[in-house]
Amino acid sequence: GQNIDQPTEMTATEGAIVQINCTYQTSGFNGLFWYQQHAGEAPTFLSYNVLDGLEEKGRFSSFLSRSKGYSYLLLKELQMKDSASYLCAAKDSNYQLIWGAGTKLIIKP
Amino acid sequence: NAGVTQTPKFRILKIGQSMTLQCAQDMNHNYMYWYRQDPGMGLKLIYYSVGAGITDKGEVPNGYNVSRSTTEDFPLRLELAAPSQTSVYFCASSYSSDTGELFFGEGSRLTVL
Repeated sequence: GQNIDQPTEMTATEGAIVQINCTYQTSGFNGLFWYQQHAGEAPTFLSYNVLDGLEEKGRFSSFLSRSKGYSYLLLKELQMKDSASYLCAAKDSNYQLIWGAGTKLIIKP
Repeated sequence: NAGVTQTPKFRILKIGQSMTLQCAQDMNHNYMYWYRQDPGMGLKLIYYSVGAGITDKGEVPNGYNVSRSTTEDFPLRLELAAPSQTSVYFCASSYSSDTGELFFGEGSRLTVL
């Protein structure tokens, strides 16, 4: 079956760095997405990886290893507004997104 | 700059009632999707559409119906509401099916009592 695994909850300190891991098992693979979702709001797009390696976008970076079925989202210089759920999603061979349950990130002062 | 607009934002239904969740996008996207999000679970695809007049079932289509008469609109119909349909529903659209990011509506919180 198809599956996405990511930690349920993580806690980090303002100004620090946090890495949110995601492992995936899909029928075929057409890219890995990360979305941010604040409580009570809609998900918003953060990043997309289809090739191995690191994609950097400001304070956020996303890494992909296709051979390991593994990705991570790296958040630097954490701010209180980064408190949110981070959703990992992989596209399968039919270009359908398989979603993880999300990682709730709690930022403490 | 509307993007994806969903209505209503909140609704309480009694068991057996029916209703339609409205979704409209103004980005001229061909691809549109309906998801439901339950606590502790990933988004589940209910139905999707690759263009006007074309719809297809997703992972959890039972109890729902959709139509796509125009590029802009993609309503979701709930027939004979059941408590299991209590959820937050998100409509989304994208320009393409491969690399295209999804643009989500604000969500519709539905409770069936």
